[in-house]
Amino acid sequence: GAGVSQSPSNKVTEKGKDVELRCDPISGHTALYWYRQSLGQGLEFLIYFQGNSAPDKSGLPSDRFSAERTGGSVSTLTIQRTQQEDSAVYLCASSSIAGAFFGQGTRLTVV
Amino acid sequence: TQLLEQSPQFLSIQEGENLTVYCNSSSVFSSLQWYRQEPGEGPVLLVTVVTGGEVKKLKRLTFQFGDARKDSSLHITAAQPGDTGLYLCAGAGRNSGTYKYIFGTGTRLKVLA
Repeated sequence: GAGVSQSPSNKVTEKGKDVELRCDPISGHTALYWYRQSLGQGLEFLIYFQGNSAPDKSGLPSDRFSAERTGGSVSTLTIQRTQQEDSAVYLCASSSIAGAFFGQGTRLTVV
Repeated sequence: TQLLEQSPQFLSIQEGENLTVYCNSSSVFSSLQWYRQEPGEGPVLLVTVVTGGEVKKLKRLTFQFGDARKDSSLHITAAQPGDTGLYLCAGAGRNSGTYKYIFGTGTRLKVLA
């Protein structure tokens, strides 16, 4: 596609439920990043995928968070047993030498 | 671990004033990008600087890459309310033949009419 696409754009879930967030990167971009942004804050790094290499998971805040990238393209971020503190905007980006390009984000609200 | 620090974190100024935002690191980057994020949107790429000492202008915005490619600045002349947003810098470092982007902490700018 022309840009990075994320779905859903908004998600409201009950505390304790699992959620899956999807990211379709720009075609041909081998690198993919997930970030979290709480209200009024900067970006918090979660995970980085590069080609077939083992992902850098150093930013995942707990073992409730996991992500995978199938076929080097689409990625899903899964949050299990959601908590209220997980409420945030989850941003996905893919990159080339020209720069990193972001999707519009998924706004997750845990009630 | 590569880190990028931005300063100031928050800035509130009157329309027409000038301002400078700084992005600093102890690491050398292959290139550096600046982004602006408006409420409800993802960050949008403004500019990429590649050469040490490089200066790029985008209307009232002037971007400079440090000579040693470790730092950068963004200067806005005669700020307008439309400049309000979160400004992010990102450095690209070589990582096993590919590029990995490290993002700064962000500067939240508010321009008052």
